[in-house]
Amino acid sequence: AQRVTQPEKLLSVFKGAPVELKCNYSYSGSPELFWYVQYSRQRLQLLLRHISRESIKGFTADLNKGETSFHLKKPFAQEEDSAMYYCALLGAGSYQLTFGKGTKLSVIP
Amino acid sequence: DAGVIQSPRHEVTEMGQEVTLRCKPISGHNSLFWYRQTMMRGLELLIYFNNNVPIDDSGMPEDRFSAKMPNASFSTLKIQPSEPRDSAVYFCASSITGGRTGELFFGEGSRLTVL
Repeated sequence: AQRVTQPEKLLSVFKGAPVELKCNYSYSGSPELFWYVQYSRQRLQLLLRHISRESIKGFTADLNKGETSFHLKKPFAQEEDSAMYYCALLGAGSYQLTFGKGTKLSVIP
Repeated sequence: DAGVIQSPRHEVTEMGQEVTLRCKPISGHNSLFWYRQTMMRGLELLIYFNNNVPIDDSGMPEDRFSAKMPNASFSTLKIQPSEPRDSAVYFCASSITGGRTGELFFGEGSRLTVL
C-alpha cells in the first residue's frame, strides 16, 4: 500500500525566513512525487513534480529515496506563499494520486 | 477555458435526501476523477473515468454512492440517501493524460453539509 505523510498540519514562519514543508512516503517501487498547492479561494493546482527538477515560485523539492522523503523548500518565504500544500505520490504505471493530508503554511509579515 | 466546473458550490440538505453533484471537465481531457476531502481522511479518490468509462470505483464508500459520465463533457456524483457522515468537500478533476503524469486539474469543489 502507498502512503503519504505530512507531519505538520500548520507551519508558521516569518517573511524572509526559510521554509521547509515535510513529506514522507511509503511505496515499494519507484514513485513519482508531486507538490500541489491551494491558495485562498483558489483551486488545488500542481506546484511542482520531482522528475522536472525545477524551481517554481522559488520552491524546490528533492526526492530522497533513502529517507523516502520529498520535502518542499524555499530559502526566503513571502506572504503570498501562505496556502495549503499537499504532497502526492503516483505509483509506477498508475493513474491514482495518493495525497497527504496537507500542511497549512502561514507566512507572518 | 474556464477550467473544471462544479456545481453546486455549496449544498445543505437533510439526512435521507438525494444529493447530486455535477462536473464539467476541461474540453479535450479524457479522464475524470471524483475526490472527497474530509478533515479526518484528507483527499480520497472515489472513482476514475477514462474516455467516459468507469475504470476504478473501489473508492466509492458504499451503494448509496453512484457516479455517471454520460458524455465527455459531463459527470454526476449522486448520494442517495445522504447521511451526516457524507458531509465533505467533493472535488472533480480532469486530466488529458489519463492521470499518468500526475497532473490533475481540479474544480473548486462542492461543499456538502448533511444535517
